[in-house]
Amino acid sequence: EPEVTQTPSHQVTQMGQEVILRCVPISNHLYFYWYRQILGQKVEFLVSFYNNEISEKSEIFDDQFSVERPDGSNFTLKIRSTKLEDSAMYFCASSGTRDSGRLSNQPQHFGDGTRLSIL
Amino acid sequence: DAKTTQPNSMESNEEEPVHLPCNHSTISGTDYIHWYRQLPSQGPEYVIHGLTSNVNNRMASLAIAEDRKSSTLILHRATLRDAAVYYCIWMQTGANNLFFGTGTRLTVIP
Repeated sequence: EPEVTQTPSHQVTQMGQEVILRCVPISNHLYFYWYRQILGQKVEFLVSFYNNEISEKSEIFDDQFSVERPDGSNFTLKIRSTKLEDSAMYFCASSGTRDSGRLSNQPQHFGDGTRLSIL
Repeated sequence: DAKTTQPNSMESNEEEPVHLPCNHSTISGTDYIHWYRQLPSQGPEYVIHGLTSNVNNRMASLAIAEDRKSSTLILHRATLRDAAVYYCIWMQTGANNLFFGTGTRLTVIP
């Protein structure tokens, strides 16, 4: 069964440094997402991406964050200047094929996440 | 956020059925009910979703109340691998992101 893959599995970065988290969504999916989960807390939506642009973003997704689909397979999340509070698990997800109909009727498929630790 | 209410935790004996309840009393007629679960140290995993009628797949069954104000996820035979946090998520029409609550932590007792 196709799956979403994320790299690296664990990233350790000094505060203030830029970090890029990478995801390879399921190949025929059209909608891409980033979520994060701070240790012991809920999974929180960050951003959704469709047709090469952001379709929705949460309050967490401020100017320090950006997303990109640099080629036909990768989907990246960049944090420009990391803060201690950015330490979390970051999950990528994808959903929706060309013929799949309403998005609310489509499951999202998640990767196993990147653990980001800011020192 | 589309709010759902779930018990914080539940226990089940291995190989017995488990019924995980969820209330979504203000759901509208075109909004889907999704269930995901999160095993320890893993990303959320899709389980099942439905609109009005009951749904079955290889993982579970979803029973939706006739008034759609509640639903129940049914695991027919719990295994140790089913120990996870189960999230009931109400997806509003036009929405394309999932709002996770605190879910129900299921413990499976050998």
